[in-house]
Amino acid sequence: GAVVSQHPSWVICKSGTSVKIECRSLDFQATTMFWYRQFPKQSLMLMATSNEGSKATYEQGVEKDKFLINHASLTLSTLTVTSAHPEDSSFYICSARDLGRGDQPQHFGDGTRLSIL
Amino acid sequence: RKEVEQDPGPFNVPEGATVAFNCTYSNSASQSFFWYRQDCRKEPKLLMSVYSSGNEDGRFTAQLNRASQYISLLIRDSKLSDSATYLCVVPPTYNFNKFYFGSGTKLNVKP
Repeated sequence: GAVVSQHPSWVICKSGTSVKIECRSLDFQATTMFWYRQFPKQSLMLMATSNEGSKATYEQGVEKDKFLINHASLTLSTLTVTSAHPEDSSFYICSARDLGRGDQPQHFGDGTRLSIL
Repeated sequence: RKEVEQDPGPFNVPEGATVAFNCTYSNSASQSFFWYRQDCRKEPKLLMSVYSSGNEDGRFTAQLNRASQYISLLIRDSKLSDSATYLCVVPPTYNFNKFYFGSGTKLNVKP
């Protein structure tokens, strides 16, 4: 089945640090990947849709200069949380869909737990 | 009205019980539906895809009611390991890149 790898799985760093999270589709190509954030006991919140070779589409209320997204290839998208602060601490999850397979489900990475001290 | 709505629960059931969750959707033209399972502090995992009237996989059955615009998930012979949050996902027909997630239904299976 479709596999999506996300790295790192856990990050603890000081306030002001920038953190990069990678999302890879391992056995399929994904023109589109999605980045979500989830706070404890809350629903997944879509942050942005990452399109290969073009700018990401951000959801309302998500700062594009704070959350930099790069989707340089059909198998890799990165999310960089710039100058992270404690309020950015959350569970970040990426997902991807198989290229050209119509209405197929999204497959999720393992998630990255970000803790900013 | 939200695109996808679920009863948040929690549903507390004993082992061996049968439990069903409903998920309502607003777009009558939706053609595909997905149930995901999310364990605490983990990523969602695809449980079942539904493209026609329903789908069955072991103890899990998903049924689609297009007239009433809801999809249900039935779990038979509940196991302790079934305890999780179940997410209903419906992609709109005009843009498969914009999936709508329900808020999830929490299931607690007790010994």
